[in-house]
Amino acid sequence: GPKVLQIPSHQIIDMGQMVTLNCDPVSNHLYFYWYKQILGQQMEFLVNFYNGKVMEKSKLFKDQFSVERPDGSYFTLKIQPTALEDSAVYFCASSLSLADTQYFGPGTRLLVL
Amino acid sequence: GQQVKQSSPSLTVQEGGISILNCDYENDMFDYFAWYKKYPDNSPTLLISVRSNVDKREDGRLTVFLNKSGKHFSLHITASQPEDTAVYLCAAGAQGGSAKLIFGEGTKLTVSS
Repeated sequence: GPKVLQIPSHQIIDMGQMVTLNCDPVSNHLYFYWYKQILGQQMEFLVNFYNGKVMEKSKLFKDQFSVERPDGSYFTLKIQPTALEDSAVYFCASSLSLADTQYFGPGTRLLVL
Repeated sequence: GQQVKQSSPSLTVQEGGISILNCDYENDMFDYFAWYKKYPDNSPTLLISVRSNVDKREDGRLTVFLNKSGKHFSLHITASQPEDTAVYLCAAGAQGGSAKLIFGEGTKLTVSS
């Protein structure tokens, strides 16, 4: 089936540093999502993105977070500066339309020290 | 509040038996219900989904039952096999909006041979 790739698979970073998580979505998809899963908890919606704009963001999407997809390249989640509570697995997803299946990547495990 | 809940963190079924995974939800606006399978260190992969205009959908060994009045949906896996062993996530969403999915905590299914 369609594949979503995420780079890197793991990232360890010092608190206060910047980190960029990269997502390579399914090639013809137009809608992009980030979800966050803290260890032992369920996956939670962070943000979705379409046509260069954030459509909706949750309360977990702090001011330190930003998303973009410049010129059809990677869909990125940037955290600047990072905090200890940002440690989690971040899953990217993409879909062709709002009514279509969301395809997920394998996640990036972020550890903030 | 927790809008989507899987009350059983784990389930063990004998090979060849029927696995029944349950999910409860709170939001009347949800009109899309899905089951994802998650292997360790791998992407959540959509197994089967149903919209609120039907109360049952079958696909091979998988059947989703939707009980709108009870705000409950379930996944039945017939002829369970050891390779069905995984974490199963239920998810719900209101597709008329931004298509964000609300996930349950997951149920770890173990099929013993």
